[in-house]
Amino acid sequence: QVHLVQSGAEVKRPGASVKVSCKASGYTFIDYFIHWVRLAPGQGLEWVGRIHPDGGDTAYADKFQGRVTMTRDTSVSTAYMELSGLKSDDTAVYYCARWSAFDTGGHFLSAFEFWGQGTMVTVSS
Amino acid sequence: IQMTQSPSSLSASVGDRVTITCRASQSIRNYLNWYQHKPGKAPELLIYAASRLQPGVPSRFSGSGSGTHFSLTITSLQPEDFATYYCQQSFNSPRTFGRGTKVEIK
Repeated sequence: QVHLVQSGAEVKRPGASVKVSCKASGYTFIDYFIHWVRLAPGQGLEWVGRIHPDGGDTAYADKFQGRVTMTRDTSVSTAYMELSGLKSDDTAVYYCARWSAFDTGGHFLSAFEFWGQGTMVTVSS
Repeated sequence: IQMTQSPSSLSASVGDRVTITCRASQSIRNYLNWYQHKPGKAPELLIYAASRLQPGVPSRFSGSGSGTHFSLTITSLQPEDFATYYCQQSFNSPRTFGRGTKVEIK
């Protein structure tokens, strides 16, 4: 079965960088987009960006442009999200999720079907 | 695309029927998904394509709507349904979510 296993919790100082990993298993890694979504305290889910493991094409939310970098290592079926210039309001749980396509009768619609367990990133001085 | 959910929270009792609404700032046809999120756990996909139940999700959950207005209904709320629910559009990028609806025990 499909599993996405993320790296452990991180505590960082303001201005530092953090790199979170997401190791996929149970499916062909290069066939599906991996997205990153975060949940900050008292806030709702927020899309950060995505990467296609086959080729490494990325797209980021405007809010994170210039601060986020998503990469992948296909040899170990792992996606990475690095966020730099950390601020206190980057404190959040960061999730990776697989973007799956569903056939609704010849028409394909997509959703976040599988999720990692989440990685808590705390930014504090 | 902005996604507006209402209410932001509600209190209900076991056995109640609950409806959550989600409005898109432009037509997204049926490109609408619903997720359930419990504290300390990963979000779970409940419904995709506005009305299609993800396998394994109880049939008391249902979704409806198209264009700009959507709803998630839980018939006969169960103790394990107390959680936060999010709508999310898959029409275009960025993949925006609603701000969530917290369903609490009355």
